[in-house]
Amino acid sequence: DTGVSQNPRHKITKRGQNVTFRCDPISEHNRLYWYRQTLGQGPEFLTYFQNEAQLEKSRLLSDRFSAERPKGSFSTLEIQRTEQGDSAMYLCASSPTTGLNTEAFFGQGTRLTVV
Amino acid sequence: AQTVTQSQPEMSVQEAETVTLSCTYDTSESDYYLFWYKQPPSRQMILVIRQEAYKQQNATENRFSVNFQKAAKSFSLKISDSQLGDAAMYFCAYGETSYDKVIFGPGTSLSVIP
Repeated sequence: DTGVSQNPRHKITKRGQNVTFRCDPISEHNRLYWYRQTLGQGPEFLTYFQNEAQLEKSRLLSDRFSAERPKGSFSTLEIQRTEQGDSAMYLCASSPTTGLNTEAFFGQGTRLTVV
Repeated sequence: AQTVTQSQPEMSVQEAETVTLSCTYDTSESDYYLFWYKQPPSRQMILVIRQEAYKQQNATENRFSVNFQKAAKSFSLKISDSQLGDAAMYFCAYGETSYDKVIFGPGTSLSVIP
């Protein structure tokens, strides 16, 4: 296990299609975070999980977005009826425990382009 | 709402020289964390340095150090003896201990000139 893994790395989709991204955190990390990063901006928080429980969702996460972490291991982020404004880098991060005194490890992200 | 501002979209430094990246933040909390993250081109974000607000001593990690001014809500990053591998986007970030999530600034793109 060499780190947080995200798949696919790149995704091009037509407007209106559904897409799903996967994140595999570092083994035994019980916290998992999703961020969205647009060009020239810092990452924006979307949601996070403590094991399988989704603890918080940003207001940025519209009804078209849904995230799951069914067994407290990997997570998926689905976007339904994609819009051009959804084009961004989607970052996943994991950390071993709660609290900001532990480091969050980031994946390389999934770059989504909606055409 | 908490905000993080980085007023320098781009910076450059000569190799082996020192550069300081600026960051200011806004919060009404007294207990929080501040971070600097580095994002090299096409590579994942990594934590450079972390500061706990209740600690008066500035954090240091090898060539990286911070100047934390709590009253001024300022958190700058100093990189000494700059190396080519330091070229990256640098993000200042803020986290509340009660929320356990991080708010990022817009970033500063650092170039290192050989």
